[in-house]
Amino acid sequence: GQQVMQIPQYQHVQEGEDFTTYCNSSTTLSNIQWYKQRPGGHPVFLIQLVKSGEVKKQKRLTFQFGEAKKNSSLHITATQTTDVGTYFCAGRRNNNAGNMLTFGGGTRLMVKP
Amino acid sequence: ETGVTQTPRHLVMGMTNKKSLKCEQHLGHNAMYWYKQSAKKPLELMFVYSLEERVENNSVPSRFSPECPNSSHLFLHLHTLQPEDSALYLCASSQDRGGMSSYEQYFGPGTRLTVT
Repeated sequence: GQQVMQIPQYQHVQEGEDFTTYCNSSTTLSNIQWYKQRPGGHPVFLIQLVKSGEVKKQKRLTFQFGEAKKNSSLHITATQTTDVGTYFCAGRRNNNAGNMLTFGGGTRLMVKP
Repeated sequence: ETGVTQTPRHLVMGMTNKKSLKCEQHLGHNAMYWYKQSAKKPLELMFVYSLEERVENNSVPSRFSPECPNSSHLFLHLHTLQPEDSALYLCASSQDRGGMSSYEQYFGPGTRLTVT
């Protein structure tokens, strides 16, 4: 079955440092979504990427979708304590019916003030 | 956010009990989902109701039984659970327009389940 892997599992950074999480799928994806889950909270949608090589930005967050549509990354510039949480990628296969997503294991970001 | 609500928020049950988790979405969506989130595993999709069709993950044990009486409500009936079923159970909804597009999923706050 489809696997979506994320690395690293955990990342400690000093406030102001950059952070990147990587997402890799064993199969080609039709699109990929990113979610953020704060400690004690629930996943919240951040963005969706659809096109090969697509790059989207949200303030300090930059999202990329690979040319082969099998990998993606999320980069945060100059982290802040409000960035703390777990970041999940979620991919949909080309032959998936409905809106079924496979989530990666998540990267837990911890920011030291 | 109150778009997707879940009750109860916390549940402790014995292995012989029968209980139900409830999810309600107030967003007018037509697809609803149950996920299991445990400390050691990523978000695991359990069940999907999309456009009134149930899509079931074959690896979900029969002690979990979903019910979707209408597009706004989703239940997860639990019976004879095992301690390893202890986890956070998240409900989500989305507007599924069919085809190859995906749309963001809105998650509820979850039910923290402990099986003793």
